[in-house]
Amino acid sequence: SAVISQKPSRDICQRGTSLTIQCQVDSQVTMMFWYRQQPGQSLTLIATANQGSEATYESGFVIDKFPISRPNLTFSTLTVSNMSPEDSSIYLCSGRNREAGELFFGEGSRLTVL
Amino acid sequence: GQNIDQPTEMTATEGAIVQINCTYQTSGFNGLFWYQQHAGEAPTFLSYNVLDGLEEKGRFSSFLSRSKGYSYLLLKELQMKDSASYLCAVKDSNYQLIWGAGTKLIIKP
Repeated sequence: SAVISQKPSRDICQRGTSLTIQCQVDSQVTMMFWYRQQPGQSLTLIATANQGSEATYESGFVIDKFPISRPNLTFSTLTVSNMSPEDSSIYLCSGRNREAGELFFGEGSRLTVL
Repeated sequence: GQNIDQPTEMTATEGAIVQINCTYQTSGFNGLFWYQQHAGEAPTFLSYNVLDGLEEKGRFSSFLSRSKGYSYLLLKELQMKDSASYLCAVKDSNYQLIWGAGTKLIIKP
């Protein structure tokens, strides 16, 4: 499976600011996703990052709050906008190459919003 | 609605065997995954079942019964490093992954 690098690995942010998380894959992947994992909970899909077009967002997530870019098959960014303490979470980039294939994950970005 | 159920937490002894169960109700089925997640780290893939039966991979085995909507992950010869959360995830008819809340496994010496 491909290797995914995310940065920053962690950050402490002030309320009202925005932060962009970068996700770099070491090879081309068909599909890329952004997940959120709040402490002690399972994974929640934020959106599917589509190459060259707008991301597909899950219920409860909107583009204004979580703008996503995917300019090519190896790179994507997620921005968490106008942050509040409720956005404190781990954000995970993931990818897979086939519909039936397993997901592989980046190391995650742990955000704490004060 | 779609639902995945796993025990919240389990405790086992080093060297022993533990079975983590997962039951699911989803709209369609296109495979079931088990992932391991150590605290503060990203999930890593353990196993994939799409047909009924047992898949063995070293100390870890995963079983699936589609008619019962049931799977288990079996860990043998437990080691301290197996202390982690184990996530069950099912791919539905739209190939969407539905995640369980995870089972935190605590290994005691």
